[in-house]
Amino acid sequence: EVQLVESGGGLVQPGRSLRLSCAASGFPFDDYAMHWVRQVPGKGLEWVSSIDWNSDNTVYADSVRGRFTISRDNAKNSLFLQMNSLRTEDTALYYCAKDTSPNTSGSYIDYWGQGTLVTVSS
Amino acid sequence: DIQMTQSPSSLSASVGDRVTITCRASQSISRYLTWYQQKPGKAPKVLIYAASSLQSWVPSRFSGSGSGTDFTLTISSLQPEDFATYYCQQSYSTLWTFGQGTKVEIK
Repeated sequence: EVQLVESGGGLVQPGRSLRLSCAASGFPFDDYAMHWVRQVPGKGLEWVSSIDWNSDNTVYADSVRGRFTISRDNAKNSLFLQMNSLRTEDTALYYCAKDTSPNTSGSYIDYWGQGTLVTVSS
Repeated sequence: DIQMTQSPSSLSASVGDRVTITCRASQSISRYLTWYQQKPGKAPKVLIYAASSLQSWVPSRFSGSGSGTDFTLTISSLQPEDFATYYCQQSYSTLWTFGQGTKVEIK
């Protein structure tokens, strides 16, 4: 059974940093691209970032580029999102998600975690 | 970036109704279009990929069509468990984008 378990969310002040983690199991983690998608409670889905199977390619939404860094550790079946210079508008539930392909182009998400809530507030 | 626009933003329907949701891309995305369903408090689930391919665990009352810029999700006979919010998403560009969502409510 595929499982994606996010952690690391919490309350943080604007301008500070936070690192999200996602522990993956139930599938060969190093065969698939991975994504972070966020959702403000009660609002729509926003794609945040993607990383391909071997970390050669990473992509970011305009809203987070230069502040967030996606990474993965295939030996530990883990995905990360380092979030720096956080803003109030980054407040959201952050989902870790598995791609159907090793690469991020032309594919889609087939499994999602349950999300970890990030609240940016003073 | 490619913009995805869904219509309507919400709709009310009865059990047994045929429901159609449209999604329009700001430029051609070929058939790189996925539909997801999300229920309150839950993570999204994939319904349709590559515009018209049904994900394995999804009932056949769901179908998708379209290519280029215009796409449709159809529920042939709405069931109680289908009341949810539906999102389209493009992966033609490496910068993925979602539509704003369509909430399907009980009439």
